[in-house]
Amino acid sequence: EPEVTQTPSHQVTQMGQEVILRCVPISNHLYFYWYRQILGQKVEFLVSFYNNEISEKSEIFDDQFSVERPDGSNFTLKIRSTKLEDSAMYFCASSRPGGTPGYTFGSGTRLTVV
Amino acid sequence: KNEVEQSPQNLTAQEGEFITINCSYSVGISALHWLQQHPGGGIVSLFMLSSGKKKHGRLIATINIQEKHSSLHITASHPRDSAVYICAVRGATNKLIFGTGTLLAVQP
Repeated sequence: EPEVTQTPSHQVTQMGQEVILRCVPISNHLYFYWYRQILGQKVEFLVSFYNNEISEKSEIFDDQFSVERPDGSNFTLKIRSTKLEDSAMYFCASSRPGGTPGYTFGSGTRLTVV
Repeated sequence: KNEVEQSPQNLTAQEGEFITINCSYSVGISALHWLQQHPGGGIVSLFMLSSGKKKHGRLIATINIQEKHSSLHITASHPRDSAVYICAVRGATNKLIFGTGTLLAVQP
């Protein structure tokens, strides 16, 4: 069964450093998403991406965040200057085009900012 | 007020019991998802519903659009069913709005 692949599975970074979280969505999916889950809290939407541009973003997705699909297969989330409160599990997801697309989630990247 | 409410928040059952987890939502939706998350782990999609009922193995999901309510049932529960079960709704856009989850522990 096709999978959404995320790397790394765990990243520790110093406050103020830039991090890039990587995702390889399912090849025939056209919608891509990033979600995050702070420890003990519910999953929150960050951003959705379609047709090489952001289609929707949440209030959390401020100027320190950016997304890119650099080569037609990878989908990246960059956090420019990490803060302690960015520590969370970040999930990538993708969905099929048309109709009522289902979702496939990656296994997540646990980001720890120290 | 949360747009997606789940109950109960925590549930402990004995192996073999029939389990029901409930989800109510306050927004218009195009689909509702039931998801499973193991501790420290990824999210697995169990069901996507826009009407009626779906069954997969020992899992059954139902939705009542008029009442804005969905239920996830597990028949003949087993310790391997222990996980967090999450309800999430999708509206006019494709983003999901998540509930807080139900932590299920099935004891042998």
